Amino acid sequence: DVKVTQSSRYLVKRTGEKVFLECVQDMDHENMFWYRQDPGLGLRLIYFSYDVKMKEKGDIPEGYSVSREKKERFSLILESASTNQTSMYLCASSSPGGNEKLFFGSGTQLSVL
Amino acid sequence: GQNIDQPTEMTATEGAIVQINCTYQTSGFNGLFWYQQHAGEAPTFLSYNVLDGLEEKGRFSSFLSRSKGYSYLLLKELQMKDSASYLCAVKSSGNTPLVFGKGTRLSVIA
Repeated sequence: DVKVTQSSRYLVKRTGEKVFLECVQDMDHENMFWYRQDPGLGLRLIYFSYDVKMKEKGDIPEGYSVSREKKERFSLILESASTNQTSMYLCASSSPGGNEKLFFGSGTQLSVL
Repeated sequence: GQNIDQPTEMTATEGAIVQINCTYQTSGFNGLFWYQQHAGEAPTFLSYNVLDGLEEKGRFSSFLSRSKGYSYLLLKELQMKDSASYLCAVKSSGNTPLVFGKGTRLSVIA
């Protein structure tokens, strides 16, 4: 079974802190994604990557950056955390193809105080 | 632009059948997905439709009409464990990520 592991389940940070959210997948998937999920807004795409060292902006990239130095790892960085970045963050991976189903990590609930 | 609509909430009775609708307007179409998400957990894949018609998988079925921009997820013989959010997602082209609807929260009551 595919496993997508996110480094923390819960995280509490202060406004202005730099925050790193790590995601590792063990199935050699080319594609990796970062979403945030908020009540009433659903899943929104922040950044995605289709290859090592490649990154593309999603729908809401402002305030975030990403890093993909190795195929299995995709990191989301909040350069200076703000209270409006309090959210559930979900990482996902997939292999390219027709039925490109996503495998999600368990999520990181980030609270910025 | 891209727009995916599904009802916010639904309630159904244990043992009954429920249909969750999804309509979409996207710049292209390369497949529609349904995911299930229990509270506090990650979404998990349920079904994929790319051609018109019904795909059946046990108690769950998914239907697609590309000409109408419409899909539904049909859950039969509802069980309490089916209480979850159901997310509709569309892939508009081969090289673009999935776009998700806001999800439908289904409550199954006794």
